[in-house]
Amino acid sequence: DGGITQSPKYLFRKEGQNVTLSCEQNLNHDAMYWYRQDPGQGLRLIYYSQIVNDFQKGDIAEGYSVSREKKESFPLTVTSAQKNPTAFYLCASASGITGELFFGEGSRLTVL
Amino acid sequence: AQSVTQLDSHVSVSEGTPVLLRCNYSSSYSPSLFWYVQHPNKGLQLLLKYTSAATLVKGINGFEAEFKKSETSFHLTKPSAHMSDAAEYFCVVSDVGYGQNFVFGPGTRLSVLP
Repeated sequence: DGGITQSPKYLFRKEGQNVTLSCEQNLNHDAMYWYRQDPGQGLRLIYYSQIVNDFQKGDIAEGYSVSREKKESFPLTVTSAQKNPTAFYLCASASGITGELFFGEGSRLTVL
Repeated sequence: AQSVTQLDSHVSVSEGTPVLLRCNYSSSYSPSLFWYVQHPNKGLQLLLKYTSAATLVKGINGFEAEFKKSETSFHLTKPSAHMSDAAEYFCVVSDVGYGQNFVFGPGTRLSVLP
């Protein structure tokens, strides 16, 4: 089945540690996105990539980094510079044909 | 610049009664519009989309939405609410063809009372 796989689903981190969230898609989509969601809030764009080896900052990129070495993969690193990293992180990809976003199941990061 | 307003942060209905979730948008281009649903601790699932074809769009689970350009609205409706409809709903506008930027509304939480 085609879709987006995010891992891990739950992650706990101590302050000062970097952590990488995985996002893999087998939909053959060029565009991929990372969003952050806080309780009772909408989605805020962290980073997006329209093509391999290229990505752009979104609205809240500070304290985060990404890479796009393969079309299928768009990992997100939450660095120790991110002041308030506890949140629900959603990865998505967009179809260039239908124009819609497809989402993974999310990763919940808790900083202890 | 694009923006999306969802007029109600929380809507509560009784099971079996109609649902109306309101969305207004602004866009410099001919927009594509979407409604997504999110259940707790899950990703977002597409309910329906408008992409300049029919203005009345039918989606999954009995939901539909009407695109009204004159009112810049894209309200989501369902004739009869079911308990399983309780979730968060997001209205999204996109400038597909201009870099595929998606702008999300803040969401409306739908509660369905027995």
